[in-house]
Amino acid sequence: GENVEQHPSTLSVQEGDSAVIKCTYSDSASNYFPWYKQELGKGPQLIIDIRSNVGEKKDQRIAVTLNKTAKHFSLHITETQPEDSAVYFCAASIRGRGSTLGRLYFGRGTQLTVWP
Amino acid sequence: NAGVTQTPKFQVLKTGQSMTLQCAQDMNHEYMSWYRQDPGMGLRLIHYSVGAGITDQGEVPNGYNVSRSTTEDFPLRLLSAAPSQTSVYFCASSPSGGGGKNIQYFGAGTRLSVL
Repeated sequence: GENVEQHPSTLSVQEGDSAVIKCTYSDSASNYFPWYKQELGKGPQLIIDIRSNVGEKKDQRIAVTLNKTAKHFSLHITETQPEDSAVYFCAASIRGRGSTLGRLYFGRGTQLTVWP
Repeated sequence: NAGVTQTPKFQVLKTGQSMTLQCAQDMNHEYMSWYRQDPGMGLRLIHYSVGAGITDQGEVPNGYNVSRSTTEDFPLRLLSAAPSQTSVYFCASSPSGGGGKNIQYFGAGTRLSVL
């Protein structure tokens, strides 16, 4: 099955700085790459996603890039704020394989701390 | 919209006890899944279902049973709880996977301790 590696496991930045979280995947058939944010005591929530036919996607202060050749994708957060502090998960999905349709393979998460 | 509702939010069990974690969604989603979250391990898939009457195993299915008799509900049963099952459990649902719509919506989680 798919294997998703995520780095770093912890990341501390000063408010206003940028943060970058990187993930790699193993199965070249993966074609959907979401990022989830999990605040303390809550379930993960989708913040941005990208499909394999797109190289970059941006939504205000967050952006995701995808390099299909290298099989890696990254989350970029600019102008970080204390409320960005959370655990971030990357994931990969393989579309169109029978009963695995919709199954997400998650990275181990990155604890992002933004200091005021 | 209620979205994905998990009950209970917290539970303490003794080793050997059984219990059912409830999950319900009101979005008419075909796909539902259960994950456990342990420190440093991310989210690991326990069981999933692609529709009523259809379930399959994920990465860590041992010690857990599921069934899917309706589209809305996907309960997770612990048959004989063990301390290794102490974890936070999340239920998620998503629309039919056709067209690559794999966005999953998560519940708020059930925090389980097995003594």
